[in-house]
Formats: sequence, structure tokens, C-alpha cells
Amino acid sequence: EDQVTQSPEALRLQEGESSSLNCSYTVSGLRGLFWYRQDPGKGPEFLFTLYSAGEEKEKERLKATLTKKESFLHITAPKPEDSATYLCAVQTKNAGGTSYGKLTFGQGTILTVHP
Amino acid sequence: EPEVTQTPSHQVTQMGQEVILRCVPISNHLYFYWYRQILGQKVEFLVSFYNNEISEKSEIFDDQFSVERPDGSNFTLKIRSTKLEDSAMYFCASKAASGRADTQYFGPGTRLTVL
Repeated sequence: EDQVTQSPEALRLQEGESSSLNCSYTVSGLRGLFWYRQDPGKGPEFLFTLYSAGEEKEKERLKATLTKKESFLHITAPKPEDSATYLCAVQTKNAGGTSYGKLTFGQGTILTVHP
Repeated sequence: EPEVTQTPSHQVTQMGQEVILRCVPISNHLYFYWYRQILGQKVEFLVSFYNNEISEKSEIFDDQFSVERPDGSNFTLKIRSTKLEDSAMYFCASKAASGRADTQYFGPGTRLTVL
């Protein structure tokens, strides 16, 4: 069974204090790893897709990296508006070797950035 | 920018009643999904839908659940006889194509409360 574990569960930072969020996965055939941002009471908002180990993607203060076992979301000089829950999800092949896009999510990291 | 929309934003129902949650996916997308998130828990996959049929479903998606694409724009989730444990946020998502793991875009969600 595919498993996705995110750590820490919660992270409190001061504005400008850089840090990293971790997403560890155990899957049987990764097709893609996704990072989403979720604000309270809202739907997940897409941030990045990573396909293979060694790949990196950047957007403003965020940078996502991928290895064969985990992904990191690095946040550089965060601002209070970066406060949200960050979700990691994986798409894998099913038992038949195909994939219709089912995402398996981690439980998320709640990030709070204080001014 | 195109987005997934969902109605209603909040649905309150009595246990045993039928509910229909509605979604309008992004117009040129071909794959459609429903996920749910019980308060404080992970986002969970329910079902994927492609070419007018279910392509994959989870153990949660039992005979009480059904999906339909009644016309060219709407995608619905029906729960025939709601239970207290069906209370959750329900998210619709869509993506353009298969092949490489394409991004799923999520709607804002419908909060279902079963009394």
C-alpha cells in the first residue's frame, strides 16, 4: 500500500526564518509527486509537480526537491502570507500497471509564520 | 484563469437523506475526481472518472455513492442515504490528460454536515 508521511506536523517560524518541510513516501512505482497549499476551509492549491529523483522546481520563496525516498519543500525568508497547510501527494501506478491519476496524500504540515 | 467550481459550498442534511454534490470541472479536462477530507484528517481519494465511466474507486466508495456526468459540463457525486460519518469536505478535481502525471486542479469544496 502506498504511504506518504509528512514532517513536522506543525512548524512555527518567524518572518524571514528559512526552513524545510519533509515528505517521505513508500510507493510501488512513482509517476509524480505533487505539492499543494491548503488554506483553512479551502481546496488544495497546486504548487509543484516532480517526476524523477534529482528534479527541482522553484516558485517565489518556495523550492521543491525530490529523491528516491522523499521530497523537501524549502521555504526561504517566509512571510506571514505563507502561513497555510502544505500537502504532499503521490500518483502511482495501480496493480494493473496503469494509472488513472489517483492521488495519495500525506497528512500535511501546518506552517505558521509570525511577523 | 480557468478553475473548478463546486456547489453548494455548504450542505446540511439529515441522516438517511440523499444528497447531490455538484462540480463544474475545467472545460478542456478529461479526467475527473472526487476526494473527501474529514475534519483534521488526510485528503482521501474516492473515485476517478474518465470517458463516461468510473476508472478507479476506493474502498470508501461503496454502493451508497455514485457519480455522473449528466452533460458536457457538470460532474456530480450522489450519496444515496447519508450517514453521520459522511460529514466531511468533498473536493472535486480535474486534469487535462493522462500520460505523464498531469496536475489535478481542485475546487473549493463542499462542506457536508450530516445531522
